[in-house]
Amino acid sequence: AQSVTQLDSHVSVSEGTPVLLRCNYSSSYSPSLFWYVQHPNKGLQLLLKYTSAATLVKGINGFEAEFKKSETSFHLTKPSAHMSDAAEYFCVVTETAGGTSYGKLTFGQGTILTVHP
Amino acid sequence: GAGVSQSPSNKVTEKGKDVELRCDPISGHTALYWYRQSLGQGLEFLIYFQGNSAPDKSGLPSDRFSAERTGGSVSTLTIQRTQQEDSAVYLCASSLEGRYGYTFGSGTRLTVV
Repeated sequence: AQSVTQLDSHVSVSEGTPVLLRCNYSSSYSPSLFWYVQHPNKGLQLLLKYTSAATLVKGINGFEAEFKKSETSFHLTKPSAHMSDAAEYFCVVTETAGGTSYGKLTFGQGTILTVHP
Repeated sequence: GAGVSQSPSNKVTEKGKDVELRCDPISGHTALYWYRQSLGQGLEFLIYFQGNSAPDKSGLPSDRFSAERTGGSVSTLTIQRTQQEDSAVYLCASSLEGRYGYTFGSGTRLTVV
């Protein structure tokens, strides 16, 4: 069984300051992990993915995440927040075998990021 | 097309009526998923199709919900005798291989009145 816990339902930062969105996962096998972003009234957009290659993953819009197996974490970071980063962020896990992800995606409950001017 | 297409984008229906939601995945994608997004409920898995394998229906909330995928491409999610609690955004996603990521459609917003 797999599960995802996003540790903060809301995060508020000032423009230009660092962003940290926390995610812990549980997986019976080798996990693939993703971060998706959803802007208001928009669809889900893939930010970045980890699938058993490099543990530090770089994504779009300056975001990155580090896979830490010992801590079962996949936290999302960005050095400097921009107003356009305000959105809801979802951490997602699925199983991996032979380098290929398969099966259903399990979503965290989401973290709403607010960016203040 | 370039992305996952869902139709209709919005649907208002009366309680007790049946509805059909359509998903056109990215051409060549073998995996197709349906999810439901409700306020306060997050994203809920409904059903997963992978190639010619039997679908994983473990997330369907009741026997009023069913889905099919014809020819390994287009999928239709059917909700019979709709209830107010079925009101949500229904999202479809497709993937060639999971390690490349999953592409989501813009969703169908279903409102049952």
